Amino acid sequence: AQSVTQLGSHVSVSEGALVLLRCNYSSSVPPYLFWYVQYPNQGLQLLLKYTTGATLVKGINGFEAEFKKSETSFHLTKPSAHMSDAAEYFCAVSVYGGYNKLIFGAGTRLAVHP
Amino acid sequence: EPEVTQTPSHQVTQMGQEVILRCVPISNHLYFYWYRQILGQKVEFLVSFYNNEISEKSEIFDDQFSVERPDGSNFTLKIRSTKLEDSAMYFCASSEGQGGGQPQHFGDGTRLSIL
Repeated sequence: AQSVTQLGSHVSVSEGALVLLRCNYSSSVPPYLFWYVQYPNQGLQLLLKYTTGATLVKGINGFEAEFKKSETSFHLTKPSAHMSDAAEYFCAVSVYGGYNKLIFGAGTRLAVHP
Repeated sequence: EPEVTQTPSHQVTQMGQEVILRCVPISNHLYFYWYRQILGQKVEFLVSFYNNEISEKSEIFDDQFSVERPDGSNFTLKIRSTKLEDSAMYFCASSEGQGGGQPQHFGDGTRLSIL
């Protein structure tokens, strides 16, 4: 069975600082990995995804994530935080050969302060 | 950009009543999903639907729940005889395909409150 662990339910950074949101997954078959962002009173918006190929993937709003198979990780980073990045971030996994259901982590709420 | 739309945004229902949550997926998408998020908990998969059939469902999706695509545009989730523990945010999603890590596009959700 697949699972996702997001370390840190709350992360707080200063504007302009590095953002690092951690995600580790468990999967017995090659995973597909996703990061979604949820702004208040909105749905889940896809930030980026990893399927195959290049392990460093770039997404919207300056975010990127690196798939590290040896560490079973897919951490999300952004070099310089903006106030507008304050939101909840969800890491999710689906698997090849499945019906594409997403298994989500518990989420990390990012706060950005001046 | 095409969007998944969900109505209503907030539904308040008495315990024991039936409720129907509505979704309009993106028009060229073929795969549809429902998820729910109980306050303070993870987003959980409920069901996936393709070609007018359920393709996968979770343990949560018991006989109380049903899904339907009544016409070419709507996708509904029906909850019969609602319980207090059904209170949650329900998200509809759709994807163009199923394999290869096709991304799912989510609606803004329906907040269901059972009194």
